Amino acid sequence: QQQVKQSPQSLIVQKGGISIINCAYENTAFDYFPWYQQFPGKGPALLIAIRPDVSEKKEGRFTISFNKSAKQFSLHIMDSQPGDSATYFCAATYGSSNTGKLIFGQGTTLQVKP
Amino acid sequence: EAGVAQSPRYKIIEKRQSVAFWCNPISGHATLYWYQQILGQGPKLLIQFQNNGVVDDSQLPKDRFSAERLKGVDSTLKIQPAKLEDSAVYLCASSLDLGGAYEQYFGPGTRLTVT
Repeated sequence: QQQVKQSPQSLIVQKGGISIINCAYENTAFDYFPWYQQFPGKGPALLIAIRPDVSEKKEGRFTISFNKSAKQFSLHIMDSQPGDSATYFCAATYGSSNTGKLIFGQGTTLQVKP
Repeated sequence: EAGVAQSPRYKIIEKRQSVAFWCNPISGHATLYWYQQILGQGPKLLIQFQNNGVVDDSQLPKDRFSAERLKGVDSTLKIQPAKLEDSAVYLCASSLDLGGAYEQYFGPGTRLTVT
């Protein structure tokens, strides 16, 4: 029940295309869902995050779509660029009343071809 | 502001040897996390400190792993004795306070190879 399942494991997209990564969770107590971006040799960095009281959040080319009833959320990268090539992790945690422990998905390696 | 610092960046040891990792969090961050990231997987929390107290160490293999955060600032994570399956990247993260609303900032990690 603590798992976050992420798919696909890897993704190849042409420059200018849309990259879509999906995640699903079981624990309905989770109420904060961040996405992290990790480049080789670096630690993960927060990209964008959402709470379940909204269905969509957009920041620049990055959009999170959230479906509370299906317990699923996804990351959309519009106009994908070669510089977006990285590993992306979805995560889930509890709100500010808890420890902030992040439960990460397995990761998606994105390659954007020029 | 300076980020989370970790050292060493790389370490190669033989099984049954011991190893220690060091982390210096962002100044003023009360909460410090150690994660283990095995190749091809997402990070998994090992231990979490609030100041110098342990908040969560439920997934720390306590027979071989230990961690401390003296004076509520720097932290060290030790493995003794190491096993082959401990090969991973060990990530340190810090946040301003407890709770999911506070962004966790990650260091570059220490890549451990156990041969």
